[in-house]
Amino acid sequence: NAGVTQTPKFRVLKTGQSMTLLCAQDMNHEYMYWYRQDPGMGLRLIHYSVGEGTTAKGEVPDGYNVSRLKKQNFLLGLESAAPSQTSVYFCASSPGQGAGNQPQHFGDGTRLSIL
Amino acid sequence: KNEVEQSPQNLTAQEGEFITINCSYSVGISALHWLQQHPGGGIVSLFMLSSGKKKHGRLIATINIQEKHSSLHITASHPRDSAVYICAVDGGATNKLIFGTGTLLAVQP
Repeated sequence: NAGVTQTPKFRVLKTGQSMTLLCAQDMNHEYMYWYRQDPGMGLRLIHYSVGEGTTAKGEVPDGYNVSRLKKQNFLLGLESAAPSQTSVYFCASSPGQGAGNQPQHFGDGTRLSIL
Repeated sequence: KNEVEQSPQNLTAQEGEFITINCSYSVGISALHWLQQHPGGGIVSLFMLSSGKKKHGRLIATINIQEKHSSLHITASHPRDSAVYICAVDGGATNKLIFGTGTLLAVQP
């Protein structure tokens, strides 16, 4: 089982460029999440999804968009990258509310640098 | 004030020592999670608990719901335990987590 796979693992962008981070899970999980991790701060939720076709804003959504067209995939887009978006991005998934409280399964992260 | 506070922020121990990391939270929760992150690595779930105590190998997690406090203990610490340990609380509705800033543990041989 691959679990949660993030693509790419590393990327360097110039200010103003756009890109999409892909998260794929093979556990048939309903819920998926995108976080960013910055030095000295806890992980912060960017956007999340509670099922195919649904998305919702988290704590720090500005500058990002997401889509969940297929249950197994959750895409995070940066339309016009800014240096403040330099971070490590983690995707996670969990079974969903019907399963009660469950641990989240995390991908290995994407290191993104904006120059 | 952060909703999830961890202490200490940094901890250095000698191999074999007993280690305690603390987590206090100020919001209502349905569960509390302890996670581990090795340097440059991914994040793995160690424990999820909503009451009492759980044990896995040399790791023990406890929670006191009334005091809104949890502890992670490592017995007979080993250099491979060196990592960042993260406390997170789950508010319940959509399993969204609120994270502490982590405790960086270094276990020296």
